[in-house]
Amino acid sequence: EGQLVESGGGLGQPGGSLRLSCAASRFTFSTYWMHWVRQAPGKGLVWVSRINSDGTSTNYADSVKGRFTISRDNAKNTLYLQMNSLRAEDTAVYYCVRAQYSSSNGMDVWGQGTTVTVSS
Amino acid sequence: DIVMTQSPDSLAVSLGERATINCKSSQSVLFSSNNKNYLGWFQQKPGQPPKLLIYWASTRESGVPDRFSGSGSGTDFTLTISSLQAEDVAIYYCHQYYTTPPTFGQGTEVEI
Repeated sequence: EGQLVESGGGLGQPGGSLRLSCAASRFTFSTYWMHWVRQAPGKGLVWVSRINSDGTSTNYADSVKGRFTISRDNAKNTLYLQMNSLRAEDTAVYYCVRAQYSSSNGMDVWGQGTTVTVSS
Repeated sequence: DIVMTQSPDSLAVSLGERATINCKSSQSVLFSSNNKNYLGWFQQKPGQPPKLLIYWASTRESGVPDRFSGSGSGTDFTLTISSLQAEDVAIYYCHQYYTTPPTFGQGTEVEI
């Protein structure tokens, strides 16, 4: 059915950087679009970014454009999110999410999430 | 961006009773070429990631109990829990995947 395991979260300084990773298993990673979705404490779900199956096309929410970079390594079955110029409002649980096979923006399998806290 | 608005924000339902959650999109999410509504529903329990319940507005994900059903088309959608169980206490989110960016409703908290 698919499994996703995020890592790399933690405490980041304002203006600093963090790199999130997401290890995929139990499905053919290289054939799926992938997303990052975040959830601030006590708040709802907000889409952050997506990448196509071969990594040649990416999209970002306006709030992270120019600061975050999504990428993937299909040989390692791993998705990444490079987060630069961190702000307090980036504090959230970050979920790695698999797109539905039949729709690049649909979402089906979610990881457990990794927590990012931006604070000095 | 398409704005998704859910109602109510919260509701309390007795065990065994019906729960109904509404979701309205600011523009149609019905794709005319395939007649599919690009609308899904997620359930999120405390401390857990969201879980997909419904996609294409009315298709139940594998393993989801049949007390969960989705309906609607265009801009107006409904998630119905026909007979509420204790394990259904959660926040429910609708989600449109018709356009980029995909967007979510604000969530509806269901309690006993």
